[in-house]
Parts: sequence; C-alpha cells; structure tokens
Amino acid sequence: GENVEQHPSTLSVQEGDSAVIKCTYSDSASNYFPWYKQELGKGPQLIIDIRSNVGEKKDQRIAVTLNKTAKHFSLHITETQPEDSAVYFCAGSRAGGADKLIFGTGTRLQVFP
Amino acid sequence: NAGVTQTPKFQVLKTGQSMTLQCAQDMNHNSMYWYRQDPGMGLRLIYYSASEGTTDKGEVPNGYNVSRLNKREFSLRLESAAPSQTSVYFCASSYGTGAYNEQFFGPGTRLTVL
Repeated sequence: GENVEQHPSTLSVQEGDSAVIKCTYSDSASNYFPWYKQELGKGPQLIIDIRSNVGEKKDQRIAVTLNKTAKHFSLHITETQPEDSAVYFCAGSRAGGADKLIFGTGTRLQVFP
Repeated sequence: NAGVTQTPKFQVLKTGQSMTLQCAQDMNHNSMYWYRQDPGMGLRLIYYSASEGTTDKGEVPNGYNVSRLNKREFSLRLESAAPSQTSVYFCASSYGTGAYNEQFFGPGTRLTVL
C-alpha cells in the first residue's frame, strides 16, 4: 500500500523567509496530493492540493510542486508570517479517493518575528 | 454553520471502560470519517462511512466500532479501552469519497486511557 514520508519534522524560519516541506510517496498510482494545516487545538484544514496531471500549483504565498518521476512533492511558503506557524501534513491517495488518503507524519513550522 | 462538531473535547478512561465519541456535521455531506492522531505518526484512518447506511474499515480498525446514526451523525465506540488507544481522535466529513473531495475536520477529542 501507499506510504508517505515527510521531512523535516520541525522547521524554524525567520519572518519573511521561505519555508519548504518535502514529501515522498511509494505508490506510483497515487494521483492526488493535498496539504493540510493544523493550528494548535484545531483540526487539520486543507490549504492546497495538486493532481498528478499538474506539475505546480500556486495560491498567493503558497505553492506545491510535484515530480511524478521521483515520486515526491513539496510545499513552498514564501514571505512567511507568524500566523503560518502550525503543523503541516502532506497526504497522497490513489484515484483521489478520500477513503484512501495516507498522511505524512507532519512538520511543525515555527515562524519567528 | 458549525461545520464538524465533536464531543467530548477531553476524556480520561480507565483500562477496560467503554465510551462513545460523537461527531456531527451540518454541511449535508455524504461521507464521514474517524481518524486517530499519534505523535510522529500523522493521521490514520480508523473507519469511514461513504454514505448513510454504510461503514468500512480503514487502516487501524481493531478495538473500535462505528455507527452512522443518520446523515449528520457518525459515532465511534471503544468497547474496552486500552492504553494503546490513548490518542487524539478527529472526525471528518466530505461531500463524497470520489475523486478530490475535500475533507473537513472537527476540533478533535483528546482521549487518555490509564
């Protein structure tokens, strides 16, 4: 079955710097890769996703890239702000089936003012 | 819209006790899920319900049972709690389980089993 690995487990950046979180997946049939943000004491919330027919997707300061050949995808946050501090999870699934989402282990991002 | 709500927020149980975690959504979603979140392990799917009247096992179903009470409500029951079930439990819902359906998560229940 699918296995999703996520690195790093913690990441500290200065406000205004960029942050990059990387994930690799094992199932070459996976074709949907969402990213979730979890703030302290709350449930995860979808922030961006990418499908396997697209190499990159951007939404304001957030972008996700996908390399199908290498089976890895990354989250890029530019111009980080203190409110970006949270735990970020990547996930992968085959055929976009929600019941088959496999999550990475999470990255705790701290943005220092 | 409250979204996805969960009760209780916190619970402490002794080994062998039973309890039911409640989840409700007001988004008219068809599909609902239960996950557990453990340190260093991300979220793992326990059970899900693709639609009212159906339930299926996820990645870690042992020790749990679920009931899809109606379209809005999906409960998770621990019949005989064990310390290994100490975790944070999240309920989620989505319009369907088909391609690319966004899952909306509740705030979680932190469960400790002594």
